[in-house]
Amino acid sequence: QVLLVQSGAEVEKPGASVKVSCKASGYTFANYDINWVRQATGQGLEWMGWMNPNSGNRRHAQKFQGRVTMTRDSSISTAYMELSSLTSEDTAVYYCARGIGVTPGRGAYSYYMDVWGKGTAVTVSS
Amino acid sequence: SYEVTQPPSVSVSPGQTASLTCSGDKLGDKYVSWYQQKPGQSPVVVIYEDNERPSGIPERFSGSNSGNTATLTISGTQAMDEADYYCQAWDSNTVVFGGGTKLTVL
Repeated sequence: QVLLVQSGAEVEKPGASVKVSCKASGYTFANYDINWVRQATGQGLEWMGWMNPNSGNRRHAQKFQGRVTMTRDSSISTAYMELSSLTSEDTAVYYCARGIGVTPGRGAYSYYMDVWGKGTAVTVSS
Repeated sequence: SYEVTQPPSVSVSPGQTASLTCSGDKLGDKYVSWYQQKPGQSPVVVIYEDNERPSGIPERFSGSNSGNTATLTISGTQAMDEADYYCQAWDSNTVVFGGGTKLTVL
């Protein structure tokens, strides 16, 4: 069974950093990207970035430039997302999700997320 | 940056067909995925590569994508299908989500 198990809820003060972990099991960790997606209460899904555990290549949304760091420890099949300089606007549920990218046929690239963690609630409050 | 747009809400009667749209410039040149999210739960992919259903997703879910619009169609909508639905595309090595559509079954 493919699973992504995330770390527990966090409460941080403004200006601090938070690091969320995502432990993969049931598949070869190196073979699939890990994405990070967040969702504020009552809001939509917001993609933060992806990282390829094999190559270490990563890409993040421009909005998080300079604030997000995605890393991994392949020895324990775990990905991490650290977000710094937190404000109240960062209060959200943070999800990790396994990404699959293929080129099915018409030349375009298909990328989707087939397995999601249960989410980690991060609250930023003074 | 690339954007895709979804209507905030759609209503459908039980047993009827729901059509949820996702619009973006030349979206038909890209592949679109759709996610269902129920309150308090993580998203679940219901359609990928425009019209492919993952195992375990009911046949009443289907998708299409052409021109500037992708459509998620739910045939014979059931009460259990009431949820938020997000479309997603890939552009310039980044993931793009639509704002989501709340599907109400009433």
